[in-house]
Amino acid sequence: ETGVTQTPRHLVMGMTNKKSLKCEQHLGHNAMYWYKQSAKKPLELMFVYNFKEQTENNSVPSRFSPECPNSSHLFLHLHTLQPEDSALYLCASSQEGLNTGELFFGEGSRLTVL
Amino acid sequence: GDSVTQMEGPVTLSEEAFLTINCTYTATGYPSLFWYVQYPGEGLQLLLKATKADDKGSNKGFEATYRKETTSFHLEKGSVQVSDSAVYFCALSDRGDYKLSFGAGTTVTVRA
Repeated sequence: ETGVTQTPRHLVMGMTNKKSLKCEQHLGHNAMYWYKQSAKKPLELMFVYNFKEQTENNSVPSRFSPECPNSSHLFLHLHTLQPEDSALYLCASSQEGLNTGELFFGEGSRLTVL
Repeated sequence: GDSVTQMEGPVTLSEEAFLTINCTYTATGYPSLFWYVQYPGEGLQLLLKATKADDKGSNKGFEATYRKETTSFHLEKGSVQVSDSAVYFCALSDRGDYKLSFGAGTTVTVRA
C-alpha cells in the first residue's frame, strides 16, 4: 500500500461505546496529525505527533485519546462521545523540517454518534 | 490568531466556464498560502502553493497569486471540466512550520 490509509472508513457508535480509528502512513514521514472535518466549518486540527511525541493538543476533549506507537501509525481512541462529535476524521502526515506545508491526507473515517 | 476566510458555496458551473474562489487571510507574520482540493470520497491533496508576496502558484490549469496588499489568494481556472468538481480549501502556514490553518471549504460542481 502507498500513501496514508485510514480504517474504518465508516463507523457508527453509541454514546457509551469505545472504539478506535486507525491511521497508517507508508511515506516515511515523521509527523502525523488528526483533523476533524465538520460541514461548513474549517478543518480543526486536533493533535500533532512529531517523532512519536505529541506536540500539539488543540484543547480537544478527553473523550478523544490519541496514541502514536511509532512514526508510521496513529490511533484515535473514542469513548463516551456526543452526537456533535459526528464528523469526518482525517489523518495526515508530513515530513517535519522541510517546511513545504504539504500534508498528505488519508480518505478519512466518517463517524456517526447516535 | 491566524485565520482564512473563503467564499461560501456551493458553486455550480457549466463546463468551460470561468471559476474563481475568493480567499482572504489574517496572519501576524509572512505566511505561506495553499490551495488544497478534496475530490469525492478522497482525502485532501495539495493543489498549489505560494510562499511569498507576488508569487503565483499553478497546477492543473488552476492559478492563484499571493497578494499581500489585499491579503488575498484567490483561486482561478479559465475553463473548468466536470472532473474539477470537488471541495476546495484555502490554507495558510504562518510559523514557518508544518501546521496549517484551513478555511471552511468551497464546494464546486461542474455540469456537462
